[in-house]
Amino acid sequence: NAGVMQNPRHLVRRRGQEARLRCSPMKGHSHVYWYRQLPEEGLKFMVYLQKENIIDESGMPKERFSAEFPKEGPSILRIQQVVRGDSAAYFCASSPRLDFGNTIYFGEGSWLTVV
Amino acid sequence: KQEVTQIPAALSVPEGENLVLNCSFTDSAIYNLQWFRQDPGKGLTSLLLIQSSQREQTSGRLNASLDKSSGRSTLYIAASQPGDSATYLCAAYNAGNNRKLIWGLGTSLAVNP
Repeated sequence: NAGVMQNPRHLVRRRGQEARLRCSPMKGHSHVYWYRQLPEEGLKFMVYLQKENIIDESGMPKERFSAEFPKEGPSILRIQQVVRGDSAAYFCASSPRLDFGNTIYFGEGSWLTVV
Repeated sequence: KQEVTQIPAALSVPEGENLVLNCSFTDSAIYNLQWFRQDPGKGLTSLLLIQSSQREQTSGRLNASLDKSSGRSTLYIAASQPGDSATYLCAAYNAGNNRKLIWGLGTSLAVNP
């Protein structure tokens, strides 16, 4: 059973370009979460999605950031018109259901560098 | 607003020592608390999940405790090894908050052979 798969692992974008980060949850998991880890800062929640639904996006910046989890295919975190401050590690996690007795599983992360 | 603090920020010990990492949280209304390990440039590996109704969890050389009333959790590592060198993060699940984990900044551990 493959774990949470994120790609690309490393991405370099020039200021103003778009970045697309993909996350395939573990098999059988229908809940996906995105977290961001800025340099020298802790991890911060961004968004929580179920298939075709955004459940909680309270951690998403108001502009340029969007996320989706379509019926088919991976979850996508999209950052438009990237700026240097977007440089960070973006982690995706998944869980089978909203059950606080179970852990959530994290991917290896996608490291975005904006030059 | 929930805040999670980890002390110390960094720790360097000789191989074989038993050690304790501390995590404190400001709001005792947490649901669960989870400890993770992060290696440089890598993802997050779950170590132990302590549910709200539990006081501790054990896995191999690791033992984590949770005291909600005092707002503290500790991660105990027995007989430390160089392979334990990593950053250890604790994260709190706030009650009723859809798995929005609140994270500490971590303790960077170096175990020297």
